[in-house]
Amino acid sequence: GIQVEQSPPDLILQEGANSTLRCNFSDSVNNLQWFHQNPWGQLINLFYIPSGTKQNGRLSATTVATERYSLLYISSSQTTDSGVYFCAVLYSGGGADGLTFGKGTHLIIQP
Amino acid sequence: EAGVAQSPRYKIIEKRQSVAFWCNPISGHATLYWYQQILGQGPKLLIQFQNNGVVDDSQLPKDRFSAERLKGVDSTLKIQPAKLEDSAVYLCASSSRAQTQYFGPGTRLLVL
Repeated sequence: GIQVEQSPPDLILQEGANSTLRCNFSDSVNNLQWFHQNPWGQLINLFYIPSGTKQNGRLSATTVATERYSLLYISSSQTTDSGVYFCAVLYSGGGADGLTFGKGTHLIIQP
Repeated sequence: EAGVAQSPRYKIIEKRQSVAFWCNPISGHATLYWYQQILGQGPKLLIQFQNNGVVDDSQLPKDRFSAERLKGVDSTLKIQPAKLEDSAVYLCASSSRAQTQYFGPGTRLLVL
């Protein structure tokens, strides 16, 4: 099946810093989503971005489908940004729509 | 618009017991998914429904897990009998026309 690799696995930053999270995937995709899993376990949708660039406040994301990667940018980090960030993809050659998740990037923002 | 609802939020059982989880998707969403998330890993798809039909259950351990979506709305996931390795968070998600998937808060299962 399709492989999803996220980097870095762990990231510790000071409040106010900027960060870039990367997601590489091994095959063509129809769907790519970025999620933030908060400390209570809730998966929060950040972006639906199978291609192109989107921005939402301090967060933005870019997917270059032809090169099989996506980037999530977080600017002016706040302590509430802490948690695990997951990239999840839907393989375009499959018949079903279940997402394949990476292992996540664990982000800690220190005050 | 109400999100995906799940219950219970937490469950502790002994191994070999049975347990059931319930999910109510976002209104109008035809597609419903159950994922299993083991501690430290990303969620893994167990089963996908389109209305009340199964689209993909290739990763569902069918000797002990079962799921149904009888009227094409709510869904129930059952484990019988439970094993220690079934301890995980069980997440339900729904979507409309294979677009953005929205996740519920999950059910945390601990098998002792």
